[in-house]
Amino acid sequence: KQEVTQIPAALSVPEGENLVLNCSFTDSAIYNLQWFRQDPGKGLTSLLLIQSSQREQTSGRLNASLDKSSGRSTLYIAASQPGDSATYLCAVGPMNYGGSQGNLIFGKGTKLSVKP
Amino acid sequence: NAGVTQTPKFQVLKTGQSMTLQCAQDMNHEYMSWYRQDPGMGLRLIHYSVGAGITDQGEVPNGYNVSRSTTEDFPLRLLSAAPSQTSVYFCASSYSSSELQPQHFGDGTRLSIL
Repeated sequence: KQEVTQIPAALSVPEGENLVLNCSFTDSAIYNLQWFRQDPGKGLTSLLLIQSSQREQTSGRLNASLDKSSGRSTLYIAASQPGDSATYLCAVGPMNYGGSQGNLIFGKGTKLSVKP
Repeated sequence: NAGVTQTPKFQVLKTGQSMTLQCAQDMNHEYMSWYRQDPGMGLRLIHYSVGAGITDQGEVPNGYNVSRSTTEDFPLRLLSAAPSQTSVYFCASSYSSSELQPQHFGDGTRLSIL
């Protein structure tokens, strides 16, 4: 069964730092990998999504990489800001999970706090 | 833009009661799904639908029913509530189930079963 692990569970950094969040998964048979942001008491917001054939995606200060063969993804946040404080979730779309690219298996998230 | 709307936002039930969590989207999305989020467990897929009239089970379907009579609505029914169903429930949708598309999530329903 596919498992998704995110390390660290929590991270506190000063404003302006560049940081990396890690995600690993156990089965490389995936359609895609997605990174989400969740603010307290809110739903999830899609940040970046990567097809299994892609190596990375970028949006503004965010860059996500995917190494399917090693079962790893990283989310790089440049020049962090207090507004980046949230929980970041990694999710994979396994090929043997109902056949729909929408069916996702989530990690437990990394809670990021950016101090002013 | 309304996006994905979930009602109610909060609910307290007694064990054995039934209720329906509502989910509606106004984006003409083909794919809709329900997840539950529990501390220390992450989000887990309950049921999903790839179009009107088509539903299927996810990872944790026991105790829940769904139907998809219209493209817009995907209600989740708790048949006989149990304390183990205390959780935050999220509905999500995307344009297609067969192509990679951004998923849109509602703000969740926080459900407590006493």
